[in-house]
Amino acid sequence: EAGVAQSPRYKIIEKRQSVAFWCNPISGHATLYWYQQILGQGPKLLIQFQNNGVVDDSQLPKDRFSAERLKGVDSTLKIQPAKLEDSAVYLCASSPRLSGANVLTFGAGSRLTVL
Amino acid sequence: GQQLNQSPQSMFIQEGEDVSMNCTSSSIFNTWLWYKQDPGEGPVLLIALYKAGELTSNGRLTAQFGITRKDSFLNISASIPSDVGIYFCAGKNTGNQFYFGTGTSLTVIP
Repeated sequence: EAGVAQSPRYKIIEKRQSVAFWCNPISGHATLYWYQQILGQGPKLLIQFQNNGVVDDSQLPKDRFSAERLKGVDSTLKIQPAKLEDSAVYLCASSPRLSGANVLTFGAGSRLTVL
Repeated sequence: GQQLNQSPQSMFIQEGEDVSMNCTSSSIFNTWLWYKQDPGEGPVLLIALYKAGELTSNGRLTAQFGITRKDSFLNISASIPSDVGIYFCAGKNTGNQFYFGTGTSLTVIP
């Protein structure tokens, strides 16, 4: 099966600019996650979708970050305006279902550098 | 958000040696996962554990789900150069959120 697709792989922007990342999960996976991974740290959950609904966005900085999964398939994560501390790898992951025996499958990530 | 404590933070070992690392949490989890991440790539699943006390192997890797449900251990036997990378634990809580550890960086010296 095809894996989790993410684009772009790399993005360099200046602070206060905006950026968007796209994710296409594994076909049929109902649950989609966006994680932020700062260099030297573990992934930190930003937002979790079940189909096209938000399950958890408690750690999403909503003043500048937004995410959507309108048709319950692919998803977009946007940052506007970007800050220096947003420099990180943005990882998308998907899983077949919300509960039960479940694992996350990750994409390769989108690396953001904010200058 | 919660982040799990992993130890050691980094390890430098000789090829052929065994490796042990662990992950602890202040909260109970109902699933423990172990991932390996290579530079420039996303984490790749190594082992999944679903029951307290469960011991699961995947080749040279063995992981255990702690009895208290607040910890997990990963062992790698007879390390080889391609084991180099960062290893992350992840726990899933009853709210179906996955939280990740701080990572263990493994260097294998040929």
